[in-house]
Amino acid sequence: ETGVTQTPRHLVMGMTNKKSLKCEQHLGHNAMYWYKQSAKKPLELMFVYSLEERVENNSVPSRFSPECPNSSHLFLHLHTLQPEDSALYLCASSQDEGSSYEQYFGPGTRLTVT
Amino acid sequence: DAKTTQPPSMDCAEGRAANLPCNHSTISGNEYVYWYRQIHSQGPQYIIHGLKNNETNEMASLIITEDRKSSTLILPHATLRDTAVYYCIVRVVLCQGGSEKLVFGKGMKLTVNP
Repeated sequence: ETGVTQTPRHLVMGMTNKKSLKCEQHLGHNAMYWYKQSAKKPLELMFVYSLEERVENNSVPSRFSPECPNSSHLFLHLHTLQPEDSALYLCASSQDEGSSYEQYFGPGTRLTVT
Repeated sequence: DAKTTQPPSMDCAEGRAANLPCNHSTISGNEYVYWYRQIHSQGPQYIIHGLKNNETNEMASLIITEDRKSSTLILPHATLRDTAVYYCIVRVVLCQGGSEKLVFGKGMKLTVNP
């Protein structure tokens, strides 16, 4: 247990569906991240939120829409996805103050787009 | 782009020390060396980080060469549960804080054999 939870753990959706991934951190951190891990590819950073403001958007298509309502919760809203979007989506959090910058990752959501 | 190079894979016998190498010949003076690992189907897990001095924690030891162009992660007594992909990452840490992103490469697959 890392203190970062993600739901659902597995999701199958059609290309016309709308779904949301949820991440919650119980560590009191002030930064949260979304990563994508496709098969046989390195982890790719998608979005970064610091103090609930989006500070980085790594050229992610608009069919992925993040939301950070507070410092403990992060969502990734999905709509009209493509089969190539099938991947493991990982959430992470960190405390970006002082000397502790390590990121704590959740278990991920395995997404399959059919 | 990842700033580190690691061998793609390594085997180690259970109970023996596992020495995982990493080259980061272009590392800057303000960049730290971080190690994470990812056990199959889980999110990455922070292991250790260092700037120029050797570091040790309950999980591992990190040996950084004097010129800082390479480092070695040491798992003193490898167990089967240490089988994972290990990522060596260089990263700037700002004094004032900030959400510095992690750039993951392909990592190195460590297999601990009984």
